[in-house]
Amino acid sequence: GQQLNQSPQSMFIQEGEDVSMNCTSSSIFNTWLWYKQDPGEGPVLLIALYKAGELTSNGRLTAQFGITRKDSFLNISASIPSDVGIYFCAGQSFNNNDMRFGAGTRLTVKP
Amino acid sequence: DTAVSQTPKYLVTQMGNDKSIKCEQNLGHDTMYWYKQDSKKFLKIMFSYNNKELIINETVPNRFSPKSPDKAHLNLHINSLELGDSAVYFCASSHLAGGYGYTFGSGTRLTVV
Repeated sequence: GQQLNQSPQSMFIQEGEDVSMNCTSSSIFNTWLWYKQDPGEGPVLLIALYKAGELTSNGRLTAQFGITRKDSFLNISASIPSDVGIYFCAGQSFNNNDMRFGAGTRLTVKP
Repeated sequence: DTAVSQTPKYLVTQMGNDKSIKCEQNLGHDTMYWYKQDSKKFLKIMFSYNNKELIINETVPNRFSPKSPDKAHLNLHINSLELGDSAVYFCASSHLAGGYGYTFGSGTRLTVV
């Protein structure tokens, strides 16, 4: 099946800093999504991307669907303590209705 | 008014027991899923059901049997539990067209002792 490589595995940053994480795949996806998981909760959708090259923002979050359709990145600007959590990329192919997840990026924000 | 609800939230049981996890969604979605999250937080799909019909069945031991009485419910029954089954199990739902993101439950932490 498709393999998603997400990096970095973890990040320790100071409050106010910008954050960038990315995901690459060996296969083409038709949809890229980014989720955040807080402790003790399920993943929550942050941003969904549907077209190659698409750049979408959600508040301080910005994500892009790579032009090759094999990668995506997520940026968080001016991080705050509540940004702490695990961020997952996910990809979905046109003919598959299952979603494949990256291994996650664990973000720690120091006040 | 929870969108995807799973019960129980915590489950501690002995090896060899049989247990079930229930999931219900009130979003009107036609597809439901079970994911397993291991200790390293990796999320792996186990099953997917569309309108009560199994459409994805990953390589999962046949001790795991999903049951969908209707499209709003997808339960997971596990027979002869093993230590390696310890994990967090997430139920999720979406429209089959997909690509619009899944809505996840808050998870069931299963500990087999």
